[in-house]
Amino acid sequence: QSVLTQPPSVSGAPGQRVTISCTGSSSNIGAGYAIHWYQQLPGTAPKLLIYGNTNRPSGVPDRFSGSNSGTSASLAISGLQAEDEADYYCQSYDSSVRGSVFGGGTKLTVL
Amino acid sequence: EVQLVESGGGLIQPGGSLRLSCIASGFTFSDYWMHWVRQAPGKGLVWVSRINGDGQSTYYADSVRGRFTVSRDNADNTLYLQMRSLRADDTGVYFCTRGISGGYDDSWGQGTLVTVSS
Repeated sequence: QSVLTQPPSVSGAPGQRVTISCTGSSSNIGAGYAIHWYQQLPGTAPKLLIYGNTNRPSGVPDRFSGSNSGTSASLAISGLQAEDEADYYCQSYDSSVRGSVFGGGTKLTVL
Repeated sequence: EVQLVESGGGLIQPGGSLRLSCIASGFTFSDYWMHWVRQAPGKGLVWVSRINGDGQSTYYADSVRGRFTVSRDNADNTLYLQMRSLRADDTGVYFCTRGISGGYDDSWGQGTLVTVSS
């Protein structure tokens, strides 16, 4: 049972837009701690995708965007491409854990 | 270029001990918090531990507190995770990561696999 809640899976056709939600609580997202997103391609280490709720590291396409509100956050991927098929994780700081917490991960399938 | 290279994983019996290492390069190691994150087979990411730049502040997930010890040698740019009283549910890939003050991990190693089984 992860502290942050994500849907187990989402899917979309090439070119479409999908969103992945991440729901937390008053000790993490609701306390104002930022949400970060990671992409994990099969058999590889996670890669930072979005940091500080909405910021993209250099090299991440602007098809990826993040937002948050209250105790939840979302990752949006527009113009879906086959290479986007991966697992996506949200992360935040949790004051009760005094460390990072992750969502359970969402598997994105590009149909 | 930031590089993090973990080692030390392997097959260990329940109750045994193992020490993981992570050699860092491409940045001033002592300036950064460092983290360990693990991933059980087919499962999600779980934060394990973190340590500040001078090694004086350490934090652990409840599931490993009292059994795992994180440390670092800034002279050798190396992060360690000493694991004791290992259990089957400690099995997974252990990643070392570089922590950024905004609360995220901007660089990850390739991971080292720990398998706890008799």
